Amino acid sequence: ETGVTQTPRHLVMGMTNKKSLKCEQHLGHNAMYWYKQSAKKPLELMFVYNFKEQTENNSVPSRFSPECPNSSHLFLHLHTLQPEDSALYLCASSPGTSSYEQYFGPGTRLTVT
Amino acid sequence: KNEVEQSPQNLTAQEGEFITINCSYSVGISALHWLQQHPGGGIVSLFMLSSGKKKHGRLIATINIQEKHSSLHITASHPRDSAVYICAVRWGTSGSRLTFGEGTQLTVNP
Repeated sequence: ETGVTQTPRHLVMGMTNKKSLKCEQHLGHNAMYWYKQSAKKPLELMFVYNFKEQTENNSVPSRFSPECPNSSHLFLHLHTLQPEDSALYLCASSPGTSSYEQYFGPGTRLTVT
Repeated sequence: KNEVEQSPQNLTAQEGEFITINCSYSVGISALHWLQQHPGGGIVSLFMLSSGKKKHGRLIATINIQEKHSSLHITASHPRDSAVYICAVRWGTSGSRLTFGEGTQLTVNP
């Protein structure tokens, strides 16, 4: 049990659908992250939030829209996705954004058809 | 070309063998992380280090700042160690951003 949960664990969506991924951390951390892991590629940072404020956007297309209502919850809203967006989406948290270990959730396996 | 290079990409070992996974990076860093990813996707942080050596159970991580190189060692390997091991670095000026290696797929056979 890592203290970081993600729902759903698996999601299949069409290109015209709108869906949201949810992440929740029970560790009292202030920083939360979204990562994308595509097949045969290294993990890629998408977004960083610190104290609910977005501090990093790694040139992510606007069809991915993050939301951080408080330090414990992070959402990734999806709309008009492409098949190449199919990947494992991982959420992580850490006490802050300086040199801390990051704690990862189990991920959401997304398939776009 | 990734700025974080891991070797080998794939490693198969027999139970009980001593295992080494290597990570090299291109410029100065503030910290290096070793992560373990099991089938199904979940990632566990094993170590974060910026100098020297750390040990946790059968796992040992070392880093040589001058040579820009880190190693992850597993002593007395076991089939449950089978996973993907990922090296990630925080560059000196990158704030919160981590850059990840491509991972090493380790399979330990009984």
